[in-house]
Amino acid sequence: LAKTTQPISMDSYEGQEVNITCSHNNIATNDYITWYQQFPSQGPRFIIQGYKTKVTNEVASLFIPADRKSSTLSLPRVSLSDTAVYYCLVGENDYKLSFGAGTTVTVRA
Amino acid sequence: SAVISQKPSRDICQRGTSLTIQCQVDSQVTMMFWYRQQPGQSLTLIATANQGSEATYESGFVIDKFPISRPNLTFSTLTVSNMSPEDSSIYLCSVGGGALRGTDTQYFGPGTRLTVL
Repeated sequence: LAKTTQPISMDSYEGQEVNITCSHNNIATNDYITWYQQFPSQGPRFIIQGYKTKVTNEVASLFIPADRKSSTLSLPRVSLSDTAVYYCLVGENDYKLSFGAGTTVTVRA
Repeated sequence: SAVISQKPSRDICQRGTSLTIQCQVDSQVTMMFWYRQQPGQSLTLIATANQGSEATYESGFVIDKFPISRPNLTFSTLTVSNMSPEDSSIYLCSVGGGALRGTDTQYFGPGTRLTVL
């Protein structure tokens, strides 16, 4: 499984855009990039998944450059409720997930 | 999507005892997974439980310590045996994960917070 590296923590304020970059230099051809969100005392929740270029849903956008060695999760106009740990995962299937350390995002008023 | 419940939500146990955690899903699923999340840490996959077959354990986890049952397509149990304080963690079950990437994702239960004294 490709190893991922992401910042340990990020601070932001309400209404700002938060961008979390994940490095995955050893990503394989068949690997997809998936982001999960985990609130305290809850299990992780799927946010977004992509293979290349840009993917957008109602929660976030995922930007993947052509070489796919990194990806950036973009959370638009964050609110206090977006305070959570965000995990970047890389793999060729949706089972046997390998979670890294994650990025703790703290949104302040 | 899938709705997953776990029982108990939390428990405090004495060392040397065992605890069985239940995971119930609101729909039939093929693959169920058990994870452990130690305090302040990320999630680690313990095992994969498919109905009708023995669970597959990840490196560092053994059946004698974490026996798993999967009697049907909506239910599974994980037992933490002969507990020690090092077993204090949150234990989560999840379902999903289609064979084809991009067609399914995993859905997680709320977790069981276990404290071993």
